[in-house]
Amino acid sequence: AQSVTQLGSHVSVSEGALVLLRCNYSSSVPPYLFWYVQYPNQGLQLLLKYTSAATLVKGINGFEAEFKKSETSFHLTKPSAHMSDAAEYFCAVSRNSGYALNFGKGTSLLVTP
Amino acid sequence: NAGVTQTPKFRVLKTGQSMTLLCAQDMNHEYMYWYRQDPGMGLRLIHYSVGEGTTAKGEVPDGYNVSRLKKQNFLLGLESAAPSQTSVYFCASSYSPGQNFQETQYFGPGTRLLVL
Repeated sequence: AQSVTQLGSHVSVSEGALVLLRCNYSSSVPPYLFWYVQYPNQGLQLLLKYTSAATLVKGINGFEAEFKKSETSFHLTKPSAHMSDAAEYFCAVSRNSGYALNFGKGTSLLVTP
Repeated sequence: NAGVTQTPKFRVLKTGQSMTLLCAQDMNHEYMYWYRQDPGMGLRLIHYSVGEGTTAKGEVPDGYNVSRLKKQNFLLGLESAAPSQTSVYFCASSYSPGQNFQETQYFGPGTRLLVL
């Protein structure tokens, strides 16, 4: 079964510092991987997705993620954190049946002044 | 274009009461999903639908029923609410002609349900 593990339920960074949110996947077939963001009291919004076209994927709001097959990872990064980046971030993998997504447990990002 | 909408936004139920959550999408998507979100658990799939008139169980279907009578609507029902069903419920939809697992899912704003 395809699954993802997000390392760290809470991450705190200073404004202007590098953001690194970790996601490792478990899949017996090439996966499709997604990062979603959830701002307080809102639904989930797609940040970016990996569909095998390129290993470095650029998303919205300056985020990007790199697919590393050798490490089974799809970590999310942003060079410089903004206060507005404070949110919950979810990594997800597409199932090869059932058409739905398997989500990680989420990482809450706190940005301090 | 409203995207995915959910009603109600918030509801309080007593144990044993029933209710229906409504999800509507105006993007002509084939696939629709119901998830629940609990602290520290991420999102878990309750039921999903791959087209009008069809539904299927997800990973946590017990205590819920669904119906997809119209393509744009996906209803989630709780026949006899229990405190364990206190959660935030999200509906999502995606456009997938065939088995295209790359498709983005679009989420509604959620319904907060408290069962006392």
